[in-house]
Amino acid sequence: GAVVSQHPSRVICKSGTSVKIECRSLDFQATTMFWYRQFPKKSLMLMATSNEGSKATYEQGVEKDKFLINHASLTLSTLTVTSAHPEDSSFYICSARGIWTEAFFGQGTRLTVV
Amino acid sequence: AQSVTQLDSHVSVSEGTPVLLRCNYSSSYSPSLFWYVQHPNKGLQLLLKYTTGATLVKGINGFEAEFKKSETSFHLTKPSAHMSDAAEYFCVVSDQSGNQFYFGTGTSLTVIP
Repeated sequence: GAVVSQHPSRVICKSGTSVKIECRSLDFQATTMFWYRQFPKKSLMLMATSNEGSKATYEQGVEKDKFLINHASLTLSTLTVTSAHPEDSSFYICSARGIWTEAFFGQGTRLTVV
Repeated sequence: AQSVTQLDSHVSVSEGTPVLLRCNYSSSYSPSLFWYVQHPNKGLQLLLKYTTGATLVKGINGFEAEFKKSETSFHLTKPSAHMSDAAEYFCVVSDQSGNQFYFGTGTSLTVIP
């Protein structure tokens, strides 16, 4: 299957700083990328959907100014958590889809804000 | 609207015995259905998918699932559980465009040696 690489896998940051998470499709062009948040022992919560070259579409309740999503190319999307706080600590997962019906998922990023 | 219900939040089986993870869906059209597996602190890996055609779908690692339209089900099975199968499993349905994915709440599979 296609490969989606997410980086970093783990990050610890201080409260008030910003963190950028990258999601790359390595062997296909991702026309659509998705960003999810997963709380411990819970399912995935869709945060936003981004199409290359367009502004991301955020789900209700997700602060677009806090979670900045950029999808500048067909192989790269980034999620920036701005002014992070401890309650932003979570597991963030991206997925990407191209011409197939299924989405391929990144390995996830464990964010800890201290 | 689409939705997915995973009937069991936890399933525990002995190594070498069959696995059954249940999933029911709701969809206003013919759905695309998927099963993903997630190991601790990892991303999701596609096990198998159903779009059209044969209703019995074979996936990786010996898993298979059967699409039953009359029962609106897509249960995941494996004849013989292995220790490495212990993980979280998600049943997913997508909308017609393939741009929205609806996740079940997950089933945690424990395999007892």
